[in-house]
Amino acid sequence: QVQLVQSGAEVKKPGASVKVSCKASGYTFTSYPMHWVRQAPGQRLEWLGWINAGNGNTKYSQRFQGRVTISRDTSATTAYMELSGLRSEDTAVYYCARDQLWFLAYWGQGTLVTVSS
Amino acid sequence: EIVMTQSPATLSVSPGERATLSCRASQSVSSHLAWYQQKPGQAPRLLISGASTRATGIPARFSGSGSGTEFTLTISSLQSEDVAVYYCQHYNNWPYTFGQGTKLEIK
Repeated sequence: QVQLVQSGAEVKKPGASVKVSCKASGYTFTSYPMHWVRQAPGQRLEWLGWINAGNGNTKYSQRFQGRVTISRDTSATTAYMELSGLRSEDTAVYYCARDQLWFLAYWGQGTLVTVSS
Repeated sequence: EIVMTQSPATLSVSPGERATLSCRASQSVSSHLAWYQQKPGQAPRLLISGASTRATGIPARFSGSGSGTEFTLTISSLQSEDVAVYYCQHYNNWPYTFGQGTKLEIK
């Protein structure tokens, strides 16, 4: 069965960077793109971007362009999301979600990133 | 970007009754619309894709309809385990966007 297991909670200071991992299993990793979505407290879900796990091509939300980098390690069947220039408004739960014909069929358990001085 | 608007914000329904949730897109998304269920402390779970196709393992009491800009999620007979926040999301183009959610409560 498809499983996405994310790395643990992080606490970062303003201006720092955070890198969240998403270990995939139960399917052929390079056959399906991976998305990253976040949810700030009390807010709606927000799409950050997407990576084609096969060729490494990426697409980012313009709102995060320049601050977010999505990558993958095919040998480790793991996707990564790095967000730089952290500010308090970036405090959120970050999810990876596997693509299935463009919608988000399988989700990781989420990683809480807290930005605080 | 496409703005997704859900209504109502909160819906209270008696057990066994029908719940109807609405989602509107600011421009046409064809049938590229998904519904997700999120329970407290959990990740979202896919319910419906392609506006009306139930995901694997989703009970038949959940159904989706609509196309273009107007969509509906219907729960035909509300069960206690259906208490959750429901989100719609378009995947017609980038960036994907989500509605603000409808909180479904038991009356």
